[in-house]
Amino acid sequence: IAGITQAPTSQILAAGRRMTLRCTQDMRHNAMYWYRQDLGLGLRLIHYSNTAGTTGKGEVPDGYSVSRANTDDFPLTLASAVPSQTSVYFCASSELSGSYNEQFFGPGTRLTVL
Amino acid sequence: KNEVEQSPQNLTAQEGEFITINCSYSVGISALHWLQQHPGGGIVSLFMLSSGKKKHGRLIATINIQEKHSSLHITASHPRDSAVYICAVKRNTGTASKLTFGTGTRLQVTL
Repeated sequence: IAGITQAPTSQILAAGRRMTLRCTQDMRHNAMYWYRQDLGLGLRLIHYSNTAGTTGKGEVPDGYSVSRANTDDFPLTLASAVPSQTSVYFCASSELSGSYNEQFFGPGTRLTVL
Repeated sequence: KNEVEQSPQNLTAQEGEFITINCSYSVGISALHWLQQHPGGGIVSLFMLSSGKKKHGRLIATINIQEKHSSLHITASHPRDSAVYICAVKRNTGTASKLTFGTGTRLQVTL
């Protein structure tokens, strides 16, 4: 693994189904983030984690949950998917200390909820 | 009004042209990030800066903290520069590196 990986690459999901998007990084970064990208709106933060064992809500957290059991993995779960959650989802990571917290992004997961 | 505004939204240029993309923000920041997103979707970090100017190859980024404005310049543009360029700011609050993003500038460079 080099950098950040996400799975699946894309998914079509029926409304009401549960879905977990996976994210794994091998850079030993403390902080990880989940964003959604929608046309005309730019990237918006869903949830973040400063370090293993802690998580926080971002700008658009409703309908999503995350966990951070270890440094490398940061899964995003949609408990009961709705069509408005159709989007492209990006995971990112960064060092936490210092002001130069450059973020590194995964390749994205394209999710369609029907 | 968005906290981060980019202009123009869309830009078409001919190969070789000098390109400028602008980013204005309305909040206090500790750093500003320029990102590139190619049609395949992947997002790549180009620059992170908090003052002055940075240069990498044909790309130059500048920031004026007092005026709350940053520019991304591309010299001698090439069709492979075609992408969406995204500005993001790291606010002066909290400990996490939470970013606020602009909506992006779509650049098309033609032969």
